[in-house]
Amino acid sequence: SQTIHQWPATLVQPVGSPLSLECTVEGTSNPNLYWYRQAAGRGLQLLFYSVGIGQISSEVPQNLSASRPQDRQFILSSKKLLLSDSGFYLCAYQGGPFTPLHFGNGTRLTVT
Amino acid sequence: AQTVTQSQPEMSVQEAETVTLSCTYDTSESDYYLFWYKQPPSRQMILVIRQEAYKQQNATENRFSVNFQKAAKSFSLKISDSQLGDAAMYFCAYSTGTASKLTFGTGTRLQVTL
Repeated sequence: SQTIHQWPATLVQPVGSPLSLECTVEGTSNPNLYWYRQAAGRGLQLLFYSVGIGQISSEVPQNLSASRPQDRQFILSSKKLLLSDSGFYLCAYQGGPFTPLHFGNGTRLTVT
Repeated sequence: AQTVTQSQPEMSVQEAETVTLSCTYDTSESDYYLFWYKQPPSRQMILVIRQEAYKQQNATENRFSVNFQKAAKSFSLKISDSQLGDAAMYFCAYSTGTASKLTFGTGTRLQVTL
């Protein structure tokens, strides 16, 4: 069966520190991968998506970057966090065209 | 650009009753997909139901059903026999294309009372 793992679950980081959130998928090959951010009390905003290894599309200019070093691994990074980077980050995968997205459990990031 | 609008920030329903959550969307595409996701307090996003735009028949999943009105660009979710466990944020979402980037509405918080 297909599963998605996202970690850490919670993270508190000072302003200016680096960030690395990791997401891995099991049970499927060449999935589409997504990073979303959810600000408090709001809907989800797509940050990055990837249709293959090394292929990253950015939806919103920001302080963040994404990488896909392996087929089923998706990493969200920042060199220097800003206060505005605080939020709830969700990784998702899509196992095939036009199939639903399945989400990880999310990471609550607080930048202090 | 596609937009998804949920005009009800909060809704309340009594246990065992029926509630309908509204969603409208704007698109120039003819082929697309619509989804309802549930986000309980754990904040995990759980797929509730999906609808393909080319299908005229409304999707149904147990107590959950949709009323899909393509001409009106409306996609409402009906929850029958509401249960306490249905209390959550509900998000309507739209996608098109093979890289199915979901566009989400702002959500409706559903409360279920005894």
